Amino acid sequence: KNEVEQSPQNLTAQEGEFITINCSYSVGISALHWLQQHPGGGIVSLFMLSSGKKKHGRLIATINIQEKHSSLHITASHPRDSAVYICAVRAGDKLIFGTGTRLQVFP
Amino acid sequence: SAVISQKPSRDICQRGTSLTIQCQVDSQVTMMFWYRQQPGQSLTLIATANQGSEATYESGFVIDKFPISRPNLTFSTLTVSNMSPEDSSIYLCSVEEGGGTEAFFGQGTRLTVV
Repeated sequence: KNEVEQSPQNLTAQEGEFITINCSYSVGISALHWLQQHPGGGIVSLFMLSSGKKKHGRLIATINIQEKHSSLHITASHPRDSAVYICAVRAGDKLIFGTGTRLQVFP
Repeated sequence: SAVISQKPSRDICQRGTSLTIQCQVDSQVTMMFWYRQQPGQSLTLIATANQGSEATYESGFVIDKFPISRPNLTFSTLTVSNMSPEDSSIYLCSVEEGGGTEAFFGQGTRLTVV
């Protein structure tokens, strides 16, 4: 079993839909990152969370430390949100990555 | 925030050859990280590159296959040596700031070995 599990693996949505991507982890962590990977391979950091909730534009990330679970929400999704979303946790001095959720938003 | 310039962005290489990937950071950083992302897989850390010392390799990765240079605090290279089709992956460099609270990544190098 992977230390970081994401669901779903693939997700398709119509423009405007509310989207949720989930991340569960089995190790002790000091922080959790949500990353966005575009088709060329480059990665952009969206959020770093150690507790609670953060919001940036249409993106909201939450974390429940007790349940070892985090969610990334996208409100009013748009085709430009199409990408792979990766959850990564900091355990000690290492980052451990999930396999990503591939999101496609259709107009 | 750190800006990382990674090149090449993609390459198609013949088996048995080597490819060197470069990463340039717009600020001085102590450690640079090199990751591999095989198709459909998560990112795996290859090694951590410190300026002025040998890189630290993760289990399953060796210096002969993935030699790394770190000549100064803003630049690093990763070479993929004697390539085989199994080396076809995306390779990414990364730096961290704020004691690891922020992570920044290069644009990735998509390598295909034929």
